[in-house]
Amino acid sequence: EVQLVESGGGLVQPGGSLRLSCAASGFTFSSYWMHWVRHAPGKGLVWVSRINSDGSSTSYVDSVKGRFTISRDNAKNTLYLQMNSLRAEDTAVYYCARDLKGSGYIDVWGKGTTVTVSS
Amino acid sequence: DIVMTQSPLSLPVSPGEPASISCRSSQSLLHSDGYNYLDWYLQKPGQSPQFLIYLASSRASGVPDRFSGSGSGTDFTLKISRVEAEDVGVYYCMQALQTPITFGQGTRLEIK
Repeated sequence: EVQLVESGGGLVQPGGSLRLSCAASGFTFSSYWMHWVRHAPGKGLVWVSRINSDGSSTSYVDSVKGRFTISRDNAKNTLYLQMNSLRAEDTAVYYCARDLKGSGYIDVWGKGTTVTVSS
Repeated sequence: DIVMTQSPLSLPVSPGEPASISCRSSQSLLHSDGYNYLDWYLQKPGQSPQFLIYLASSRASGVPDRFSGSGSGTDFTLKISRVEAEDVGVYYCMQALQTPITFGQGTRLEIK
């Protein structure tokens, strides 16, 4: 079964850090681009970051540039999101999702992990 | 950044009736390869988003044929020919032509 399972969310104080993980199974992870998308309470979906299949190219939404880092370990079939200098507005459910070519066609999504930034 | 604008934001529909959602982009989504890089997703209550339509008009695997996408350039439409109770949720269009990838605000479909 094709599956993405996020972990690493939790409650963190403003200015703190978290590292999210996304474990992939049931497909050839190294063949897919991967995304992080977040959903804040009462708001719409927001794309956060994307990484290509071999990890050599990354992109970010402006609001997280310089604070978040996307990476992957294809040997471990795992995607990561290192989140530093967290702000209240980063509070959201974070989804990882796969994309065959990096140009849409985001066909598999995880169930999400919740990040709450609050003092 | 490409701004995606959906309308309406709320859509009450009776079962069996058709529904239509509009999505407009601030720039053309037509790539030189001839494809429009516009997807549609549905987020049902309490669930992760699910993939409906890609390249503006191609249905994803397993998506019922009552869902259809159309449009080109900057104007796109998602149509549901006969709404069923299981179709409730928030529908999002998303452009993948360039980063940052951007979503529309979402359209909440509810059953009357």
